[in-house]
Amino acid sequence: NAGVTQTPKFQVLKTGQSMTLQCAQDMNHEYMSWYRQDPGMGLRLIHYSVGAGITDQGEVPNGYNVSRSTTEDFPLRLLSAAPSQTSVYFCASSYGTGGMEAFFGQGTRLTVV
Amino acid sequence: GEDVEQSLFLSVREGDSSVINCTYTDSSSTYLYWYKQEPGAGLQLLTYIFSNMDMKQDQRLTVLLNKKDKHLSLRIADTQTGDSAIYFCAREGGGNKLTFGTGTQLKVEL
Repeated sequence: NAGVTQTPKFQVLKTGQSMTLQCAQDMNHEYMSWYRQDPGMGLRLIHYSVGAGITDQGEVPNGYNVSRSTTEDFPLRLLSAAPSQTSVYFCASSYGTGGMEAFFGQGTRLTVV
Repeated sequence: GEDVEQSLFLSVREGDSSVINCTYTDSSSTYLYWYKQEPGAGLQLLTYIFSNMDMKQDQRLTVLLNKKDKHLSLRIADTQTGDSAIYFCAREGGGNKLTFGTGTQLKVEL
């Protein structure tokens, strides 16, 4: 059982470039989220989805887009990369709410130069 | 918005108990979680507690919740070197959105 798979694991971008971070889960989970992790700041929610076709903004959505065309996939798009987006990005999925475990991917370490 | 705070570092000797603390600002009823992050990995759920409970025990882990002070703690008994990691508390909002604390780096020394 693969769980939550993120690709790539590492990426270096130049300022202004765009890219898509991929996230796929094989657990038929309805809820999926993207977080960024920065030193001393914990994880902050970027965007989340409660099911296919439904997305909403989290705490730090600026500069990122998402879509959810299937239950399995939840890609995160950086439209025009900035050095402030240098971070470790985590995708998570869960079956539901209320004591349900969120399963996390291994993370994507992104550096914007 | 919601604030969840943790101290950044904790160092203990192997075999001692570790206590990791967390405070939060929103007092509405919800689930509170403890996650563990090992180096280079994602987060793994350790345990959780609903906000109408005072305590939950799960093997070496004990979660204490003081609702009046909005204070959550995780006690790890007989701490081992394998427990060295970053520990995050998190509070669940609507749609399973999690608000995480800053994380506590636990270092276990021999």
